[in-house]
Amino acid sequence: GDSVTQMEGPVTLSEEAFLTINCTYTATGYPSLFWYVQYPGEGLQLLLKATKADDKGSNKGFEATYRKETTSFHLEKGSVQVSDSAVYFCALSKRNNDMRFGAGTRLTVKP
Amino acid sequence: DSGVTQTPKHLITATGQRVTLRCSPRSGDLSVYWYQQSLDQGLQFLIQYYNGEERAKGNILERFSAQQFPDLHSELNLSSLELGDSALYFCASSGSRSTDTQYFGPGTRLTVL
Repeated sequence: GDSVTQMEGPVTLSEEAFLTINCTYTATGYPSLFWYVQYPGEGLQLLLKATKADDKGSNKGFEATYRKETTSFHLEKGSVQVSDSAVYFCALSKRNNDMRFGAGTRLTVKP
Repeated sequence: DSGVTQTPKHLITATGQRVTLRCSPRSGDLSVYWYQQSLDQGLQFLIQYYNGEERAKGNILERFSAQQFPDLHSELNLSSLELGDSALYFCASSGSRSTDTQYFGPGTRLTVL
């Protein structure tokens, strides 16, 4: 069945470092791809999404490009801040139901 | 604030008991989804309702059931609770288009003692 695999954490970076969190997917058809972020004690918030191949989602300095040839949707940010410390989830969805999430990657940014 | 509300925020109960979790979707959203987040299983889709009808089922146990009411709020009923049911339960809502984003509520933390 459809699934998402993302890099295991935790990831610890210094402030202003470059961030990459890898995400690959397995799915039939053409899923939409998402990155959600979960701050401590809160629910998931949509960070960005892409609905078709070669689309780039971006928000708050984060970017991810839907690569069908490599079945990937890696999350990147050029300069992380302490406030970016959270758990990041990659997810896919077809027909907007049964959304499949990766295991989550915990990011800690140190000042 | 996503616009999705969930009550209660925390729930502590004993094994064998039954609880009801409540979710109110964003204004105008017809779809409601329930998810369970636990340390060992991660974030798992349980069930989706669309405008009062069950639309999709995921890894939902037979001891669990849900419904969506005419005013579109939804309830997740968990019965014969076991220690392993302790988890965060999230509700999400979305519009009717296949590309609509799911917006998540703050969750209900269930602790079964």
